[in-house]
Amino acid sequence: DVKVTQSSRYLVKRTGEKVFLECVQDMDHENMFWYRQDPGLGLRLIYFSYDVKMKEKGDIPEGYSVSREKKERFSLILESASTNQTSMYLCASSFLQGVLWNTEAFFGQGTRLTVV
Amino acid sequence: SQQGEEDPQALSIQEGENATMNCSYKTSINNLQWYRQNSGRGLVHLILIRSNEREKHSGRLRVTLDTSKKSSSLLITASRAADTASYFCARHTGANSKLTFGKGITLSVRP
Repeated sequence: DVKVTQSSRYLVKRTGEKVFLECVQDMDHENMFWYRQDPGLGLRLIYFSYDVKMKEKGDIPEGYSVSREKKERFSLILESASTNQTSMYLCASSFLQGVLWNTEAFFGQGTRLTVV
Repeated sequence: SQQGEEDPQALSIQEGENATMNCSYKTSINNLQWYRQNSGRGLVHLILIRSNEREKHSGRLRVTLDTSKKSSSLLITASRAADTASYFCARHTGANSKLTFGKGITLSVRP
C-alpha cells in the first residue's frame, strides 16, 4: 500500500516562528502536493512539485515556501508563522505517467497546526 | 479562484436511497477525480475519469463527465450509513500536474 507520512499529527507554534512540515512518500511518486483545509473553504493548493528540486505555486502560496531535495520528501516551510496560518495541512503524492496521464493522489493523515 | 463548484453543499438522505453530487469547473481538464474524507482524516481516492471518458463505474459508484458543460456527477447507489462523509471533486489541469479541489459536499446518510 502507498504510504504518505506527515511528521506530526498536531503542532502548536508561536507567532513569528519558522515552522517545518515534513511529508514522506514511499511509492516513488513524481508529484507531491501541499494543501491547507479550512472549514467552508475546502482544500486549497499551496505548492506542488512534479520532480526533485522543481516547485510550482498553487493558489495560495503567500507566506509559504517548499523544498524538495529528494524524490520521497516534500517540506512545507512557514517562514514566519502567523495566526491566520492556523489550519489543517494535508500532503499528497501521485504518480506521473506522462504529461497528460496523472493518476490518483494519496494523502497523508494531515497536520493540525495551531499558531498562538 | 480555479476551484470548481460542488453542489449541493450538504445532502441528507435515508439509508438505501441514492445520493447524487455534482461538480462544475472552469478550465479544461486532463482528468477529474472524486475523493472521500471521513471526519478529521486524510482524503481517500474513489474514482478517476479522464477527459476522453463519459462514464465510469466502481461498485456502487457511478461518475459521469460532460466536458462540453464542464461538469461531473457522482452517484452513490443504495447508500449506507457508512457513506456519511465529505466528498470532493478534484481536477488535474495543465501540463504540470496541478491538482485542485472544490469545497466539498457533506453527505449524511440516516440509518
